[in-house]
Amino acid sequence: DTEVTQTPKHLVMGMTNKKSLKCEQHMGHRAMYWYKQKAKKPPELMFVYSYEKLSINESVPSRFSPECPNSSLLNLHLHALQPEDSALYLCASSQPNEREGNEQFFGPGTRLTVL
Amino acid sequence: SQQGEEDPQALSIQEGENATMNCSYKTSINNLQWYRQNSGRGLVHLILIRSNEREKHSGRLRVTLDTSKKSSSLLITASRAADTASYFCATVIQGAQKLVFGQGTRLTINP
Repeated sequence: DTEVTQTPKHLVMGMTNKKSLKCEQHMGHRAMYWYKQKAKKPPELMFVYSYEKLSINESVPSRFSPECPNSSLLNLHLHALQPEDSALYLCASSQPNEREGNEQFFGPGTRLTVL
Repeated sequence: SQQGEEDPQALSIQEGENATMNCSYKTSINNLQWYRQNSGRGLVHLILIRSNEREKHSGRLRVTLDTSKKSSSLLITASRAADTASYFCATVIQGAQKLVFGQGTRLTINP
């Protein structure tokens, strides 16, 4: 299984809502990532988990809260978001390689709209 | 800040022609990767070239890397309509466990 799955595909939420994005992989990868991508822009790294521990937080606002319950799952909890947080949120996984970096496998993304 | 700059930003060619995209970066790298993204979907890894390699091939793809000029190119030969997508280079910064993506090239293959 070389697939990264993400749910939901689309999400519309108000600024006072609490929601979660979910990501799952069964490739045995021990590094998982969250990216944010605005239209016609490249993905921007948000968080990196390595061996289920948060290793990189790219100064992301606290209204985004990541969680890695186990080596196959990655969640992104959302609370009190702003309209400018509307974007495509991509999850990815790879084998960890802090020295060189490995290819990353991406999920299809969750299209988030904040009203 | 973004590490890579890609050129051109958009490219439109006829089916069967070759497409060349260029990527420049700023800092020393461990490797450089190319990804493809179909509209509004996830990214697909195409090829990885290490800093000690100069050229790599995969099917219709040819990637070159010039570390002295801090640049890379992706050549797609005999293009097909299905190659229509955005193409991103991404660098792994030495000592950092993260990919930094270039701005991307939007490639359109006209039938």
